[in-house]
Amino acid sequence: NAGVTQTPKFQVLKTGQSMTLQCAQDMNHEYMSWYRQDPGMGLRLIHYSVGAGITDQGEVPNGYNVSRSTTEDFPLRLLSAAPSQTSVYFCASRKGPLQPYEQYFGPGTRLTVT
Amino acid sequence: KNQVEQSPQSLIILEGKNCTLQCNYTVSPFSNLRWYKQDTGRGPVSLTIMTFSENTKSNGRYTATLDADTKQSSLHITASQLSDSASYICVVSGSITGTASKLTFGTGTRLQVTL
Repeated sequence: NAGVTQTPKFQVLKTGQSMTLQCAQDMNHEYMSWYRQDPGMGLRLIHYSVGAGITDQGEVPNGYNVSRSTTEDFPLRLLSAAPSQTSVYFCASRKGPLQPYEQYFGPGTRLTVT
Repeated sequence: KNQVEQSPQSLIILEGKNCTLQCNYTVSPFSNLRWYKQDTGRGPVSLTIMTFSENTKSNGRYTATLDADTKQSSLHITASQLSDSASYICVVSGSITGTASKLTFGTGTRLQVTL
């Protein structure tokens, strides 16, 4: 199993550009989520999904869009990049949304917006 | 406000020595507490998950303790190795937000093991 994969590893955008961060998991997990990690702060939840076709907002959703058309894939779209979105983004998955299942993280995407 | 606080922020120890990292939380209601290891430039990797009824759990040289009454946890690393150099993140799961359990992340303790 590859676990949770993310592409790209690094990305530089100009303000106003849009892009999609890709995330895939091969563990047949119901629950997938996106976090951002900024210096001096804990990981913060952007959006999450409890199954194909079902998504919900986390604590910092503004400026981001998600969809979940399959169990495996959960892309994160930046609609119009802003310097405040410079961060490291992690995709994560776990078996289900409620029980204390182990959560697996991808390797991260380091995004810089100039 | 639900918070997870970790101490110290950073720590330097000699290879072979033991160390203990602390985590205090105010998350309520409480479901479980997790410790993750994050190597530089990598995603977090789970070390332990403890539920309310567990007060100690080991994973090799890592031993986590939980005191749900005082809302404190510790991660003890025995006989440290250079490969233990990483950030260690405490995560507490509590209330259900929307359709999923909410995880509250600490800011981590950065551990450096030196020769």
